[in-house]
Amino acid sequence: AQSVSQHNHHVILSEAASLELGCNYSYGGTVNLFWYVQYPGQHLQLLLKYFSGDPLVKGIKGFEAEFIKSKFSFNLRKPSVQWSDTAEYFCAVTSSGNTPLVFGKGTRLSVIA
Amino acid sequence: EADIYQTPRYLVIGTGKKITLECSQTMGHDKMYWYQQDPGMELHLIHYSYGVNSTEKGDLSSESTVSRIRTEHFPLTLESARPSHTSQYLCASSMAGSAGELFFGEGSRLTVL
Repeated sequence: AQSVSQHNHHVILSEAASLELGCNYSYGGTVNLFWYVQYPGQHLQLLLKYFSGDPLVKGIKGFEAEFIKSKFSFNLRKPSVQWSDTAEYFCAVTSSGNTPLVFGKGTRLSVIA
Repeated sequence: EADIYQTPRYLVIGTGKKITLECSQTMGHDKMYWYQQDPGMELHLIHYSYGVNSTEKGDLSSESTVSRIRTEHFPLTLESARPSHTSQYLCASSMAGSAGELFFGEGSRLTVL
C-alpha cells in the first residue's frame, strides 16, 4: 500500500526565510504527486501537482516542488515566506488516475513577523 | 472558488444518535470522497464513489455508510454515533479522469458526547 511521510510536524519561520518541507512516498511505480494547503479556517486547496515531465513544478503563490524519483521525494520549497503562508501543508500521492489520493500527516507552518 | 458544500459545519450529539452529514457539489464531478481528519494525522479515506450507484470503502475502517443516488449528492450516515466518531469529516470531489485534483468542502466537525 502507498504511504506518505512528512518529516516535519511543525515548522516556525520568520518572514523572508526560505522554506523546505519534506515529503517522501512509498510506491515503486508511476506516481502523481500533490501538495495541498489549508489556511486557517479555510478548506483544503491544491497548491501544485506533478504528473510527468519537468521534475520541478511551480504552483501558486511562489511555491515550487521538486520530484526526485531516486529518493522517492517531492519536497516543497519557497525562497521567501510571508506571514500569509501560515497554514497546514499536506503532501499526497496516487499511483494512477483511478485510485484515491493518499495523504501525509501534514506540516503546520507558522510564519512570524 | 470550489462549489462543494457540507452541512452541518458543526454538530454536537449524544451517543447512540443517528446522524447524516450532507455533501453536495455543483460542478458535475463524477468522483466524490469522504476523508476523516484529526489534528496531526493523515487524512484517512473513509468512502469514495466514482459515479451514481457506485460506492467503495476506503482504507480506514468505518462504521459509517454512504449513498450516491444523484451525481451531486454524497451523504455520509452514522447509524449510532459513539465518542470515537468525534472528528472532522471532509468531503471532496473530482472530475472523471482527474488524477488527484480534488476540490474540498469546508468540513463537518462532529463531536459525540
